Amino acid sequence: DTGVSQDPRHKITKRGQNVTFRCDPISEHNRLYWYRQTLGQGPEFLTYFQNEAQLEKSRLLSDRFSAERPKGSFSTLEIQRTEQGDSAMYLCASSLNGKGDRNTIYFGEGSWLTVV
Amino acid sequence: GNSVTQMEGPVTLSEEAFLTINCTYTATGYPSLFWYVQYPGEGLQLLLKATKADDKGSNKGFEATYRKETTSFHLEKGSVQVSDSAVYFCALFRNTGGFKTIFGAGTRLFVKA
Repeated sequence: DTGVSQDPRHKITKRGQNVTFRCDPISEHNRLYWYRQTLGQGPEFLTYFQNEAQLEKSRLLSDRFSAERPKGSFSTLEIQRTEQGDSAMYLCASSLNGKGDRNTIYFGEGSWLTVV
Repeated sequence: GNSVTQMEGPVTLSEEAFLTINCTYTATGYPSLFWYVQYPGEGLQLLLKATKADDKGSNKGFEATYRKETTSFHLEKGSVQVSDSAVYFCALFRNTGGFKTIFGAGTRLFVKA
């Protein structure tokens, strides 16, 4: 069983450019989450999907951020017109909405974004 | 709202010392509680969990007991190793107010040889 995978692992971009991150969850996991983590802080919730439906978005997710999960499998997180304050690690996690382990989320390795 | 508070770090210990990292939570009802560990440059790994009051989660010598009466989930290990140096996050999952996991700020642990 492969874990959550994220791509790219590292991205350096100039201010004002757009960036996109991809997340492939654990197979058969129907919930997918995006978090943001800055240095010295815990992960902050951004948004989550159940299958292809985006069910909740944090107020941290400004209009420049958009997330999709078109077929209920992989997800993308796009940041438009990046700002230096967007520099952070973007973490994807997934969980199974069913019996047993359903409330446990499993993380990928994260995608580091540096905006210069 | 739901929240998690954990002790500030860094915590610095010598190898084979006893470890305690305190964690308390605020939530209605009975959330699931977790400890995650993060090594430098990596994502978070699940360390242990407990889903109901008085449950004890354990893994790799670490353990934590879900205490409803004190709303706590303190992490302990009897004898730490240098390889335990990492950041530890306490977290809770509650399915009211959204299906999401909420994390504390993390506690950095340094273990000296």
